[in-house]
Amino acid sequence: DIQMTQSPSSLSAPVGDRVTITCRASQSISSYLNWYQKKPGKAPNLLIYAASNLQSGVPSRFSGSGSGTDFTLTISSLQPEDFATYYCQQSYTIPFTFGPGTKVGIK
Amino acid sequence: EVQLVESGGGLGQPGGSLRLSCEASGFTFSSFAMSWVRQAPGKGLEWVSAISGITGTTYYADSVKGRFTISTDNSKDTLYLQMNSLRAEDTAVYYCAKVNRRDGYDYDHFDYWGQGTLVTVSS
Repeated sequence: DIQMTQSPSSLSAPVGDRVTITCRASQSISSYLNWYQKKPGKAPNLLIYAASNLQSGVPSRFSGSGSGTDFTLTISSLQPEDFATYYCQQSYTIPFTFGPGTKVGIK
Repeated sequence: EVQLVESGGGLGQPGGSLRLSCEASGFTFSSFAMSWVRQAPGKGLEWVSAISGITGTTYYADSVKGRFTISTDNSKDTLYLQMNSLRAEDTAVYYCAKVNRRDGYDYDHFDYWGQGTLVTVSS
């Protein structure tokens, strides 16, 4: 199975800050990498698919990059509604695997 | 508008069974793969199972293989997860998700999710 890691596991930042989350796969997954936002009590929400494609309806302050084994999710200007846990997920092969998550909190 | 509505969660006995349902609307159900993903209390997301809408091919995580069965009823636009031989570690919120395709690959990303249904396994 492909193992996914994320760093940091948590971070605190003020509103307006630029935030970057890193995801690494245990082997090359080309661009088969997706990012989800998860808030407590809510369903996960797809932000980015195929490493860099913004899902319809997602604010443009979210962006993704990377290929192979190393990927990043960037929030260009953190907003109050962005405080949540973010997960990367590989779809290169089944079983699909998620990263352990990065919790973004208020500073 | 795509909607996915899960039901069937609740309290299950260790070694017992539960069946989850996910009623879909707003898209051609039989044309897409569907999946179940769970989140145990205080834990991250874990993929559980997937089924091809076209071929009916099924896939399972090792943690549930041989105990859970995924299926669909295209006449009802409904996805199911039959959960047998339940264990305490199956306690989680279970989400159904629509799987979208990209460039001919049927399992690219989970673009729509249900609100989740809680399964608690305890005696």
